[in-house]
Amino acid sequence: DADVTQTPRNRITKTGKRIMLECSQTKGHDRMYWYRQDPGLGLRLIYYSFDVKDINKGEISDGYSVSRQAQAKFSLSLESAIPNQTALYFCATSDWGVKETQYFGPGTRLLVL
Amino acid sequence: KNQVEQSPQSLIILEGKNCTLQCNYTVSPFSNLRWYKQDTGRGPVSLTIMTFSENTKSNGRYTATLDADTKQSSLHITASQLSDSASYICVVTGTNRDDKIIFGKGTRLHILP
Repeated sequence: DADVTQTPRNRITKTGKRIMLECSQTKGHDRMYWYRQDPGLGLRLIYYSFDVKDINKGEISDGYSVSRQAQAKFSLSLESAIPNQTALYFCATSDWGVKETQYFGPGTRLLVL
Repeated sequence: KNQVEQSPQSLIILEGKNCTLQCNYTVSPFSNLRWYKQDTGRGPVSLTIMTFSENTKSNGRYTATLDADTKQSSLHITASQLSDSASYICVVTGTNRDDKIIFGKGTRLHILP
């Protein structure tokens, strides 16, 4: 089984709808992240969490919210989806330390009409 | 502003040839520098990770080098294979807790048979 799973893998929604993307990990890591990837722009950080009680905004948090339900679960919500939120969304986890490595989920492809 | 710049943006080489990808960064001081491989539509996978005190790290046919004085890193791929076709992303993490993980935009590598 994959260490980091994301659901759904693909989603089509309409402008104004609220949607939730979910992420689960079995690596036992404290740190979890949500990124979005757009063609030609690379990965951009939306939110990150260093533990269940520590949630921080990334560089593009407007229009998004998150919930860290447990160490293993980190969900991303789009409160009122808009077309420019169409992107590939990745969840990642990491341990901590000078050589921490992030482990990425398979991604969720979101299309907002 | 902390930045990570990668070059070239894209590269096409023949199978069996070697190639070198470049990464220049301004993050300072930094904790580690990582190279990831990302296949189309999938999450990035870590190839190498180096701290500021390391100047080379190998992973099979992939060899990363780091010059902390000039703030440059390179990823050398030896005897390229068709499966090396992917995007290669350079990632730098600062030493402060609040330092974001800075992603480069990646180099898109195409291996031709």
